[in-house]
Amino acid sequence: GQQLNQSPQSMFIQEGEDVSMNCTSSSIFNTWLWYKQDPGEGPVLLIALYKAGELTSNGRLTAQFGITRKDSFLNISASIPSDVGIYFCAGLGGYGSARQLTFGSGTQLTVLP
Amino acid sequence: NAGVTQTPKFQVLKTGQSMTLQCAQDMNHNSMYWYRQDPGMGLRLIYYSASEGTTDKGEVPNGYNVSRLNKREFSLRLESAAPSQTSVYFCASSEYVILSSGANVLTFGAGSRLTVL
Repeated sequence: GQQLNQSPQSMFIQEGEDVSMNCTSSSIFNTWLWYKQDPGEGPVLLIALYKAGELTSNGRLTAQFGITRKDSFLNISASIPSDVGIYFCAGLGGYGSARQLTFGSGTQLTVLP
Repeated sequence: NAGVTQTPKFQVLKTGQSMTLQCAQDMNHNSMYWYRQDPGMGLRLIYYSASEGTTDKGEVPNGYNVSRLNKREFSLRLESAAPSQTSVYFCASSEYVILSSGANVLTFGAGSRLTVL
């Protein structure tokens, strides 16, 4: 199946710092999705991107769909303790069936007070 | 609260035992899914049901069976558990199986942690 490389695997940052993480693929995707998973919970969708070059914000979160359609990044500005969790990217290829959704391995974010 | 409910939250099995993970959603979604999550890996699709009455294999179906009992419920069965099936299992649902639209997103349950000894 398709492979997604998500980096970094983990990050330790001070409260108030900005965070950046990214995903790259060897295949083209038509949709990029970013999820957050809190401890003991399931992933929750943060941002969805549907067009190459698209830049979308959700509060302090900003994500971009790379123009090559093979990458995406997520930025978090002015981090706060509740930003702790695992962030996943997911790429959707083909005609958009959930069968064609590929998840990255996640970025574990720790925010230090 | 509306959403996806999974039971049990935790389960320990011995190799060779069988068990069923239950999932129910109350959002009137047509499509339901079972994923597994392993350390250092992304979520991988085990089986899915695009609509009531249909089920299809995902990326890693071996060792599992599913039943779409009705529109609300989608169960995952391990007939003879193996240590390789130790994982966290997530059920999810969406209005339709085509996800390339902002109006249709996956909603996940809280997960079921399974350990096979």
